Amino acid sequence: NAGVTQTPKFRILKIGQSMTLQCTQDMNHNYMYWYRQDPGMGLKLIYYSVGAGITDKGEVPNGYNVSRSTTEDFPLRLELAAPSQTSVYFCASSYPSYEQYFGPGTRLTVT
Amino acid sequence: ILNVEQSPQSLHVQEGDSTNFTCSFPSSNFYALHWYRWETAKSPEALFVMTLNGDEKKKGRISATLNTKEGYSYLYIKGSQPEDSATYLCADAGGTSYGKLTFGQGTILTVHP
Repeated sequence: NAGVTQTPKFRILKIGQSMTLQCTQDMNHNYMYWYRQDPGMGLKLIYYSVGAGITDKGEVPNGYNVSRSTTEDFPLRLELAAPSQTSVYFCASSYPSYEQYFGPGTRLTVT
Repeated sequence: ILNVEQSPQSLHVQEGDSTNFTCSFPSSNFYALHWYRWETAKSPEALFVMTLNGDEKKKGRISATLNTKEGYSYLYIKGSQPEDSATYLCADAGGTSYGKLTFGQGTILTVHP
């Protein structure tokens, strides 16, 4: 069991570029989440999904898009990267009402 | 309480000390309260998911209590060890089973040998 995996681990983007952060889980969890962690600000929910084909906004969705075509994968798309999107991004998954399992994170810098 | 608040922000203790910290959350429309342990350069790991008023959970030397009527949870560590050094996060599930967690800013615990 690999758990939750994320790629890439690190990325530097120029302002205005786009990229997709990949997230895969092999625990057959229905629910998946994307968080960002800013210094001194804790973890904030960007988007979440309760199953394939179903996604919804979290607390800070602006500038991001998601899709969920399979149970295993939940990619996060950044369009027109901005310096404010410099952060560490964590993907997580869970069964309904249970604890969340986090991936190792992607450190993104936008310059 | 409108947000999830944790106190203290940081804590330094000596090895062998017992310690506790607090998580305050909105008491209306409660569903579940999560605790996570986050070591530097790693990702958060779940400690407890608590749902019932008066709930007490224990994992080794770490335990937690929950008061949903007044909106707080305590996390206790008995006989702290250097390997307990981490950030401890609590998160409110916000009235639904969807896992839409609102996290506190965490308590940073440093245990000195």
